[in-house]
Amino acid sequence: QQQVKQSPQSLIVQKGGISIINCAYENTAFDYFPWYQQFPGKGPALLIAIRPDVSEKKEGRFTISFNKSAKQFSLHIMDSQPGDSATYFCAASRGGATNKLIFGTGTLLAVQP
Amino acid sequence: NAGVTQTPKFRVLKTGQSMTLLCAQDMNHEYMYWYRQDPGMGLRLIHYSVGEGTTAKGEVPDGYNVSRLKKQNFLLGLESAAPSQTSVYFCASSLALAGGSYEQYFGPGTRLTVT
Repeated sequence: QQQVKQSPQSLIVQKGGISIINCAYENTAFDYFPWYQQFPGKGPALLIAIRPDVSEKKEGRFTISFNKSAKQFSLHIMDSQPGDSATYFCAASRGGATNKLIFGTGTLLAVQP
Repeated sequence: NAGVTQTPKFRVLKTGQSMTLLCAQDMNHEYMYWYRQDPGMGLRLIHYSVGEGTTAKGEVPDGYNVSRLKKQNFLLGLESAAPSQTSVYFCASSLALAGGSYEQYFGPGTRLTVT
């Protein structure tokens, strides 16, 4: 049972363009929604995260948009650069005593120069 | 600080062999996790630990065992390796704070091939 659905599976964007990756979740108990970035041969690293009490969070060129009623959240990368080429994973957690994350299936982003 | 380290980085096993993957963290984190990453499937939780001496099953625990004898180490064991266990394995750790969820820090991964 996949609790976090991510799309698209892959994405090609021109340098300077906007990259958009979408995720949908099922469990309304989730209270933490991070995005992880993974470069080839490396472990995932936290990029940006949001909690459901806000609808948007921005850090530099990266923005999370959160729609609680639709149970969806998305990552927007503005002015995409070749160095942003990586795999991006959305995730969700319902906190509690374990801090377990449920990950989406990942999006391979390629930013062409 | 080294953060989260994993050994070995690569390993090839024959079907039926056993091995142990070691994860170590120097951030004094209470929680530790083992994931496997397969193409098109994201990261799936194998086992996790909320403290020294405690372990629990995740989403895909079959065929694996774990131990957390010291707070800084989390071991993942394969008693009888199968080709279906060919994957990249990641260890992660996080703080244990009341009231919410927090960042998990990942190691660099171990690429395991079972032939």
